[in-house]
Amino acid sequence: EAGVVQSPRYKIIEKKQPVAFWCNPISGHNTLYWYRQNLGQGPELLIRYENEEAVDDSQLPKDRFSAERLKGVDSTLKIQPAELGDSAVYLCASSGQGELNYGYTFGSGTRLTVV
Amino acid sequence: AQSVTQLGSHVSVSEGALVLLRCNYSSSVPPYLFWYVQYPNQGLQLLLKYTSAATLVKGINGFEAEFKKSETSFHLTKPSAHMSDAAEYFCAVSDPEYGNKLVFGAGTILRVKS
Repeated sequence: EAGVVQSPRYKIIEKKQPVAFWCNPISGHNTLYWYRQNLGQGPELLIRYENEEAVDDSQLPKDRFSAERLKGVDSTLKIQPAELGDSAVYLCASSGQGELNYGYTFGSGTRLTVV
Repeated sequence: AQSVTQLGSHVSVSEGALVLLRCNYSSSVPPYLFWYVQYPNQGLQLLLKYTSAATLVKGINGFEAEFKKSETSFHLTKPSAHMSDAAEYFCAVSDPEYGNKLVFGAGTILRVKS
């Protein structure tokens, strides 16, 4: 079974340019998370989806960040325009029923560098 | 609000020595606790979890952790370090009252010396 798939693995863009990240969760997992991990820090939640609904986006910088999960399967996270401080690893995770008994499953992440 | 403190951003041990990575949490209700490992340029892999069952939890790769409510701790140990254990380790807490959001510590980089 494939795990959580993210693409691209790496992305380098100039500041003020747009960028998008894609995540395909584990089949059947209703809950999808986007986390941001800054260098030398632990991941921080950006947004959580239950199926198609964003149930927690309190940490998402809504002036430049947007996310969608159409059809409740894969998801896209977008930044427009990107700033230097957005350089980080963006991690996607998914979980199914009883996720606290199993923990989340994380993807390999997208490492974004804004120059 | 929940929080996690990992004491020591870097820990260095010799191969074959005891590994001890410290984690203290803050939570208003009995928490669920996790340890994840992250190898360079990879995502997070679950090592073990505490979900209010046995206080001594065994995980993969020979790691284990003990939940101590009185000390609000969940330290990660391994009796004998291997070179392959070199990675970054994250402790995380989850509270069902906060939508099962995982709150992570800042991480501890484990270095294993030969």
